[in-house]
Amino acid sequence: SSELTQPPSVSVSPGQTASITCSGDKLGDKYICWYQQRPGQSPVLVIYQDTQRPSGIPDRFSGSNSGNTATLTISGTQAMDEADYYCQAWDGSSYVFGTGTKVTVL
Amino acid sequence: QVQLQESGPGLVKPSQTLSLTCTVSGASISSGRHFWSWIRQPAGKELEWLGRVYTRGGTNYNPSLKSRVSISVDTSTNQFSLKLTSVTAADTAVYYCAFSGTSPYGMDVWGQGTTVTVSS
Repeated sequence: SSELTQPPSVSVSPGQTASITCSGDKLGDKYICWYQQRPGQSPVLVIYQDTQRPSGIPDRFSGSNSGNTATLTISGTQAMDEADYYCQAWDGSSYVFGTGTKVTVL
Repeated sequence: QVQLQESGPGLVKPSQTLSLTCTVSGASISSGRHFWSWIRQPAGKELEWLGRVYTRGGTNYNPSLKSRVSISVDTSTNQFSLKLTSVTAADTAVYYCAFSGTSPYGMDVWGQGTTVTVSS
């Protein structure tokens, strides 16, 4: 199955913008989801189908996907956004998760 | 809204079969075109999708685990189940069940997870 690569960590100051990338072969041809996972909790879907936000997810979360890279952007980052983030794709026969990125709000 | 709850033994012996059940509330597992998945996460590691079952009983599995995984639906109890055979210590993880309702390409509702340890 496909491999999705993410940076292990991203640091951001409160109020600034955090960008998390997810790289994979022809990723732009697939729909990407993003999940937030706080310590000790279950993952929460924050973006689906590249750019869509589920009900209840703040609009500071946005997504894009083109070429070989998908990006999750957190604008105006808050302390509560500190968590692990995972991208995920459907490769036609299976879901594949990215390697995960720890976002630290300094 | 849809809620999911995993249940099953927290300790399984090596070489045995791990069996978990996910109880669904707030939706009928037999209605609509939905997908019901199992995912696991070893401590401190990334998420790994194990497989999913369709509302109509079809399945997809992670190719790397396909020979050991089986997922099924019980519409009479509104549950779906995971079986993982020939377990080893590498199968020790938190196991989550999840629901794809909004989009078939992702999972928008997750259970709280259950920890399974493989040890003699």
